[in-house]
Formats: sequence, structure tokens, C-alpha cells
Amino acid sequence: QVQLQESGPGLVKPSETLSLSCSVAGDSVNSGDHYWNWIRQPPGKGLEWIGYWYVIGSTFYNPSLKSRAGVSVDTSNNQVSLTLTSVSAADTAVYFCARATLSAPGSFWLDLWGPGTLVTVSS
Amino acid sequence: FILTQPHSMSESPGKTVTISCTRDSGSIASNYVQWYQQRPGSSPTTVIYEDNKRPSGVPDRFSGSIDSSSNSASLTISGLKTEDEADYFCQSYDSTTHVVFGGGTKLTVL
Repeated sequence: QVQLQESGPGLVKPSETLSLSCSVAGDSVNSGDHYWNWIRQPPGKGLEWIGYWYVIGSTFYNPSLKSRAGVSVDTSNNQVSLTLTSVSAADTAVYFCARATLSAPGSFWLDLWGPGTLVTVSS
Repeated sequence: FILTQPHSMSESPGKTVTISCTRDSGSIASNYVQWYQQRPGSSPTTVIYEDNKRPSGVPDRFSGSIDSSSNSASLTISGLKTEDEADYFCQSYDSTTHVVFGGGTKLTVL
């Protein structure tokens, strides 16, 4: 059974860099079958896609994050990482990693999610 | 593009509710729509993928459709149960914007 688990600091100071990891069990981030995503949800609000990494080295990001986000993969540890620079209180959210399956042309299905981790930005 | 959902809906147990998801530009049919259910304190789970397919384990009370005339997708839940009370998000994709979520609909069953 495939499982995703996010980890990282629960508290980050304003202007600093947020760094999170997602451990993948039961699947390989290098398999080429999936895209590996980060998504966040501010308290009481909706879902916001941050970006994804794909095995050929492709990364794409939500333009609203204005180049602050970075998604990368550690294939030796089978982990997906997120960095978000210059954080502010507006970046306080639950951060989810999620796997996307392109089961058909035109499909981008987030078929597996981690439980999420709350990151608070505060001094 | 933007996906617009009603902010909240409520209906009684046993009834049927339909949640809409309207795309503001580009055709709703150009890329598949997924629907996720999120209960408080949990991560989202899929109830519909590729417009109208149900993952294994999702009851057939859940169904999805798209309507090109209104450029929208719909999630219909029939025979409502109290356990269906949750937030529902639609999601789609294109090669420019990549992944887009609707704002979410809070469904109350009472």
C-alpha cells in the first residue's frame, strides 16, 4: 500500500525559508508513472496547488507564488521536498504532498494524499 | 482559468444534492474534472475522477457529469447521509495554469 508522510518544522519565522519533506512508501518517485505535488490549505480556507516534480526533471509552479517555491526529489531516500522562501503569515497553512496519476490524456488526478502538516509562520 | 463553486449548500438526509463547478475560460471538456471530499481534520479523498468515474470504495450514490452548454461540471450525491457532510472541491488542469482547484463547497446534511 502506497503511503505519503509529510514532515518538517511546525513553526517558521517571517522572512525565513520553509522546508518540508514527503516520504514515499510503496512507490518510487522515479517510476515515471506519477507527478509529485505540494498543495496547501490555509486554516478554514480552500486548497491551493503549489507545484509539482516529474521524473524527467520537469517542475512547474503556481505563478501566484512568484518564484518563491521549489520542489525537488531525493531519489536515494525516495522523498519529495518543498522549499518556500521569504515566508510571511500568509503562508501559514496545512501543507500536503500528493501523487498525481495521468491515467488518460487530459487527466491530472491527485489520487493519493499525505495527512498534511501544519506550518505556522510567526515570530 | 478559474473554477467557481457555491460556497455552501444544505440538504436533508435521503435527498439529492448537486454541486456545480463552473469554468470561466476554456472548455470544461478540454481536461478532466475531479471531485474531492474533505472531512474536518483529514486530507482530501477522491469521490469522482475523469469527470464521472468512481474510485473503488466510493458508493454509487456519488456521480459526476459535465455540461458544455454551461461550461460546468457537477457532483451529484443521492440518498444523502449524515456522513456525506464535508467540504467538496472540484479540480482540473491545463498545460498553462496546470492544477486548479475550485474554492470548495461546504455541504451540510441536516
